[in-house]
Order: sequence, then C-alpha cells, then structure tokens
Amino acid sequence: AQSVDQPDAHVTLSEGASLELRCSYSYSAAPYLFWYVQYPGQSLQFLLKYITGDTVVKGTKGFEAEFRKSNSSFNLKKSPAHWSDSAKYFCALEVLASSSFSKLVFGQGTSLSVVP
Amino acid sequence: AQTIHQWPVAEIKAVGSPLSLGCTIKGKSSPNLYWYWQATGGTLQQLFYSITVGQVESVVQLNLSASRPKDDQFILSTEKLLLSHSGFYLCAWSRQGSSYEQYFGPGTRLTVL
Repeated sequence: AQSVDQPDAHVTLSEGASLELRCSYSYSAAPYLFWYVQYPGQSLQFLLKYITGDTVVKGTKGFEAEFRKSNSSFNLKKSPAHWSDSAKYFCALEVLASSSFSKLVFGQGTSLSVVP
Repeated sequence: AQTIHQWPVAEIKAVGSPLSLGCTIKGKSSPNLYWYWQATGGTLQQLFYSITVGQVESVVQLNLSASRPKDDQFILSTEKLLLSHSGFYLCAWSRQGSSYEQYFGPGTRLTVL
C-alpha cells in the first residue's frame, strides 16, 4: 500500500536553530516526493520536489530536502529557522492511480512553531 | 503567470441544503484540475480530478459531485449537505503528466450547521 508518514505532529524550536522535519513513505515504485507548506488560515504552497537525480533538492524559502532510498525518507531541512517559518508542513507522494492518472497522497502534516 | 481563483471564500450552510463551489484557472491551457477536502487541523484528501473538459473521475465518495464545464473551470457540488461536509475545500491545478507539482487555490471554508 502507498502511504506517507510524518511522525512528528508538532515541532517547536528556537529561532536560529536548524530544523528538520521527518517524512517516510511506502511505495513499490520509484517515488516522486513533494513538500508543501500551509500558513495559518491559508492554502498550500509548493516548496520542493524530488523526481530523480540529486538526492538533495533545493526549493523556495531557503528549504532543502534529502531523499534517502535506504530508509525511504524525504526529510525537510532549513538552517537557520526563522519565526516566519511557523506553519504546517505536508509531505506528499505521487502514486499511480490509473493508466492515465497519478494522485498525491499526503502525510498527516507537522505543525512547526519557531519561537524567539 | 497562472492564477487560480475559488469562490466563495466562505460559506455557512444548513444541513440538507445544496452547495456549489467553483474554481477558475487563468493563464494555463488544458491543466489537470483537482478538488481536495481538508478537515480542520487535518490532512488533505483528494476528492476528484479532471484531465479534460467534460471528464471527471472520483477518488473518494463523500456524497459530492464535480464537473468541468470549461477548460478553465471546475465545479464541486451536492444536493444535500451533511455535517461531515464541513471543512476547507481546495482546488488545485498541474501540468498534464506525472511528476508535476500541484498549485493550490486560496480555498473555500465551509461550515455546515
């Protein structure tokens, strides 16, 4: 079965610290992986994706993510963290739903609080 | 640049009443279009997708229906709302094919009383 797991529902850290949000996936084929961010009361914004090639991908807002096939993970990183990074972060996996369509399976999300 | 607009911004409706939510994408021809539902504080659940005008596929059955009357328009509707329909409805688009990121609209917040 295809699934995405974000084991940390809430993460709190101090401004200036390094952040790493965890994401693991289960999928039998080569994964396409995405990170999105949702600020309070707002919609989702795309941060970055991994398709193939370099295992470290860079995205918007200073974020990067590392794909590790060995442990099926795609962790999001940023250093240093800023108070404006406080938001909910979703990891997503693209899975083949039919011969002509792929869909996104989202993790539960991690709420990040960056405190002064 | 592509823009995605959703209407209304918010709705408060009674149980059993009908609902119609809309989504328009400008600046992109023949996009894939998607409807998602998000419970308060929850994750996203894909409801429908469409790859072309007049064609809509259901991903999850929630007593909702969707239509794509024009290339740039996606409509979500139901004839009878349930309490469980409350939440945040998001429309998204992507380029056709796989591995392309989805871009989300601002969303419609629905409260069913």
